Amino acid sequence: DAKTTQPPSMDCAEGRAANLPCNHSTISGNEYVYWYRQIHSQGPQYIIHGLKNNETNEMASLIITEDRKSSTLILPHATLRDTAVYYCIVRGGHTGTASKLTFGTGTRLQVTL
Amino acid sequence: DGGITQSPKYLFRKEGQNVTLSCEQNLNHDAMYWYRQDPGQGLRLIYYSQIVNDFQKGDIAEGYSVSREKKESFPLTVTSAQKNPTAFYLCASSMRQGSNQPQHFGDGTRLSIL
Repeated sequence: DAKTTQPPSMDCAEGRAANLPCNHSTISGNEYVYWYRQIHSQGPQYIIHGLKNNETNEMASLIITEDRKSSTLILPHATLRDTAVYYCIVRGGHTGTASKLTFGTGTRLQVTL
Repeated sequence: DGGITQSPKYLFRKEGQNVTLSCEQNLNHDAMYWYRQDPGQGLRLIYYSQIVNDFQKGDIAEGYSVSREKKESFPLTVTSAQKNPTAFYLCASSMRQGSNQPQHFGDGTRLSIL
């Protein structure tokens, strides 16, 4: 799986858009970009994933650059409940123990009033 | 609503005791996983199952056992052989291994030693 780089922390005012960047310059052609978040003392929550086209769901939008070397997760109207650690993961389809998910250090997003 | 249910939320184990953590999913997923998360650390894979009646050891299987008798259920037993069981245990499932479909997680069980 390709290595990802995320800023360690970010702040966002409530009601504003939160834009979380992720660099994945070594991504290969069949690898997808996934975003998860983990709120303290809860299980990780899947947010969104994509291959090369921009994706949107009820939680967020995922913008992937044309060269696929970076992406941005957008929470359009952040609320205090969006305060969490956000993880960007790049991986292909795996079987066996390689199917395990590995989280890096992520970005700690703090949403403030 | 479809999802993964883990119970109990908190569990306490006495020395020499086996305890079982429950994981149930109604997502019709073939693959299920157990992870362990220690404070400030990432996920470590304990066991996984690609299909009912099949399961395989992950990276840290010693002291743990599982069963997969039903598609919906993948219970984890923490045996007395696991000397450091205090951790946050997470169950996950996905449509099938080898696909690009994401893993979805339960809310976890926090296990502590009395």
